Amino acid sequence: GAVVSQHPSWVICKSGTSVKIECRSLDFQATTMFWYRQFPKQSLMLMATSNEGSKATYEQGVEKDKFLINHASLTLSTLTVTSAHPEDSSFYICSAGPRTSGAPADTQYFGPGTRLTVL
Amino acid sequence: QKEVEQDPGPLSVPEGAIVSLNCTYSNSAFQYFMWYRQYSRKGPELLMYTYSSGNKEDGRFTAQVDKSSKYISLFIRDSQPSDSATYLCAMSPSFTGGGNKLTFGTGTQLKVEL
Repeated sequence: GAVVSQHPSWVICKSGTSVKIECRSLDFQATTMFWYRQFPKQSLMLMATSNEGSKATYEQGVEKDKFLINHASLTLSTLTVTSAHPEDSSFYICSAGPRTSGAPADTQYFGPGTRLTVL
Repeated sequence: QKEVEQDPGPLSVPEGAIVSLNCTYSNSAFQYFMWYRQYSRKGPELLMYTYSSGNKEDGRFTAQVDKSSKYISLFIRDSQPSDSATYLCAMSPSFTGGGNKLTFGTGTQLKVEL
């Protein structure tokens, strides 16, 4: 149980285009999902907290107009990188925590990540 | 000072060795502690979670929490080459079923050599 998927697993795009990344919880409902980015050999950097049915909460320094987050349902959150530039190239990872009572509190399960390369 | 400190390594050990991975933290409100394993180009995988102080064992893995020292550890017995990965500690202050932000260490890169 507690499987999180991401699509696509990798994407290459031209500078100036927009890219959408999907994050799905496959076997549980998630009121809250989190979006991270990770540079090579560095830890996870939280970008935003995605709340179902409301606006996302962005971390300091993260441009909300550039990284659009939509949490359309209890199993789906999307991250759209708008007008992508080479400096946006990174590994983007989402996570979600089960909201059922049997799950360990505050445990988050991560998706496999999406590698974005902007040319 | 970072809220969570973790030695980035790399840590190289021979197969069969006991590995000790550690994190220190400064926020006394943290009560929930997790260890994740991340293989290269993959998302982190939850290995173990513990609440408050004490030990927890799962197969070759043992997690320890010492809240008085603000120090947590992950021990890996009989290490295998397949254990080669980056290990991230994470912690949280409360219990709302996956809705709280986790604070991560920087991760320790482990290599188990044949």
